[in-house]
Amino acid sequence: DIQMTQSPSTLSASVGDRVTITCRASQSISSWLAWYQQKPGKAPKLLIDKASSLQSGVPSRFSGSASGTEFTLTISSLQPDDFATYYCQQYSSYWTFGQGTKVEIK
Amino acid sequence: EVQLLESGGGLVQPGGSLRLSCAASGFTFTNYVMSWVRQAPGKGLQWVSAISGSGGTTYYADSVKGRFTISRDNSKNTLYMQMNSLRAEDTALYYCAKETVAEGGADSFDYWGQGTLVTVSS
Repeated sequence: DIQMTQSPSTLSASVGDRVTITCRASQSISSWLAWYQQKPGKAPKLLIDKASSLQSGVPSRFSGSASGTEFTLTISSLQPDDFATYYCQQYSSYWTFGQGTKVEIK
Repeated sequence: EVQLLESGGGLVQPGGSLRLSCAASGFTFTNYVMSWVRQAPGKGLQWVSAISGSGGTTYYADSVKGRFTISRDNSKNTLYMQMNSLRAEDTALYYCAKETVAEGGADSFDYWGQGTLVTVSS
């Protein structure tokens, strides 16, 4: 089974900060990685798939990148609406989610 | 507009059974792999099961294999999950989710329902 290790588990940041979340796969998943945003009481929302492909309607301050088995979600300038929990997901072999990163107000 | 509406959750005793349903609309249901994903209270997301568009191929997480059965009725645009031998650790909000690309193999999930809560407790 492919394991996804996401870090940090919690991130405290201020509006305007540049934020980076990392996800590491236990084996090669090519670019078969997605990022989701989840707010309390809501279903997850797909932000990025294929490691760096931004979904329609998602603000351009969100970006994704990959280097080997390490994947990164970057928010270039954190906005009030971005405080949420973020999950990575591999879909190279079945589906596995990372443990999540809660982005909270500093 | 794509809509996914789950139902069937509730309180059940350990060892009991429950059947979840997910009514889909707004897309050609038979063309898409569908999944169930669960989230225990205060915890992260866990993929549970998936089924091909035709219903001929199914996939399960090890934690539910042999106890849960996924199925679909393409004539009714509805996804199901039969849950047997339920355990306390199965307590979670269960989401159905649609794959992003039609029958493209494993893929991300672009639409999710709002979830149905399953509580396993005596």
